[in-house]
Amino acid sequence: GAGVSQSPRYKVAKRGQDVALRCDPISGHVSLFWYQQALGQGPEFLTYFQNEAQLDKSGLPSDRFFAERPEGSVSTLKIQRTQQEDSAVYLCASSLARQSPNEQFFGPGTRLTVL
Amino acid sequence: DQQVKQNSPSLSVQEGRISILNCDYTNSMFDYFLWYKKYPAEGPTFLISISSIKDKNEDGRFTVFLNKSAKHLSLHIVPSQPGDSAVYFCAADNYGQNFVFGPGTRLSVLP
Repeated sequence: GAGVSQSPRYKVAKRGQDVALRCDPISGHVSLFWYQQALGQGPEFLTYFQNEAQLDKSGLPSDRFFAERPEGSVSTLKIQRTQQEDSAVYLCASSLARQSPNEQFFGPGTRLTVL
Repeated sequence: DQQVKQNSPSLSVQEGRISILNCDYTNSMFDYFLWYKKYPAEGPTFLISISSIKDKNEDGRFTVFLNKSAKHLSLHIVPSQPGDSAVYFCAADNYGQNFVFGPGTRLSVLP
């Protein structure tokens, strides 16, 4: 497909387990964003990549969260030692270039539930 | 402290009538705003945007109004259709770095 894809769509983890969430952006999109959306809230910014460079990680809630985009396309968000408060939908978005303003195209999200 | 607020968690309107969704922001440096629409189990999709140099932008049934002095924007949908039923997020472009989203308003258009 031509859109942003994310996998898995749903993930259930036991507290303390590590998880990895994948994002495939739209081909050719330079910028990639990760957001966390808690139930009943709007998406909250986690981190941003321009190509393979992570330019902003100010939204990552703790050092348990780590994101990478080694070849400037696919990105992985890893959460170590998951906690119940990590339960949320994790959204990935991509945009053609880093410019203001920029339209971001969102994937369907990964719903993470930590038991 | 929320920088983008949508004070109505939900809104119901009759099909064919106007839907008005409101959004307030606190950061006067924001200069570009977007509305996204989200259906269940899907990611948000872009709807319409407005730059701070304008006070109105129209696209078909959708119009966004911006009142900079009041730090307020609104989305008007006329006429409302059942397929418009979704959660609508107001977002501010944060200096081109990322978007700051409001909590969303769930719109229900009743047939």
